[in-house]
Amino acid sequence: GNSVTQMEGPVTLSEEAFLTINCTYTATGYPSLFWYVQYPGEGLQLLLKATKADDKGSNKGFEATYRKETTSFHLEKGSVQVSDSAVYFCALIATDKLIFGTGTRLQVFP
Amino acid sequence: EAGVAQSPRYKIIEKRQSVAFWCNPISGHATLYWYQQILGQGPKLLIQFQNNGVVDDSQLPKDRFSAERLKGVDSTLKIQPAKLEDSAVYLCASSPGLNQPQHFGDGTRLSIL
Repeated sequence: GNSVTQMEGPVTLSEEAFLTINCTYTATGYPSLFWYVQYPGEGLQLLLKATKADDKGSNKGFEATYRKETTSFHLEKGSVQVSDSAVYFCALIATDKLIFGTGTRLQVFP
Repeated sequence: EAGVAQSPRYKIIEKRQSVAFWCNPISGHATLYWYQQILGQGPKLLIQFQNNGVVDDSQLPKDRFSAERLKGVDSTLKIQPAKLEDSAVYLCASSPGLNQPQHFGDGTRLSIL
């Protein structure tokens, strides 16, 4: 079946450090891939997306590239800020079902 | 553009009581979803509507959960009777159509005592 696997958190970084959150997926066909972010006490916000192989999604300094050969969609940011502290969810959509990973909590300290 | 609106934000009830949640999707969005997010987990789809029809309710515990979207706009999700394991955040999302990015509300945090 379709599934998403994320690295476990929390990920703890100092401000301006480089961020990578790993995400791999299992799916039949060619799903669209997403990263959502959830700030404390809020719902999920779409951060970026990619709809086909080799697409790069980007937003607010975050990037992720759809890698079909490794079935991965790792999230990266070159320099994190305290305000990036949140839970990040990798997700795929297949046959209109949005399937989430378990989420990775990012904590950024000044 | 107004986002997905949900109410209430928080609800505390005792087990075996009933509770209802309300969702108003983004204007014009045909597809509406209800998710359950248990602490430390990703959201799990409970039910999906396309306009006022149910597309998928395979994960909805129908012995206690019900949902409706009578006029194809607002939706309500009800739990009756509530169990301790229903403690979670209930998220509503909407999208313009099938396989489109979903936009989420802030959720209702339900605590069962």
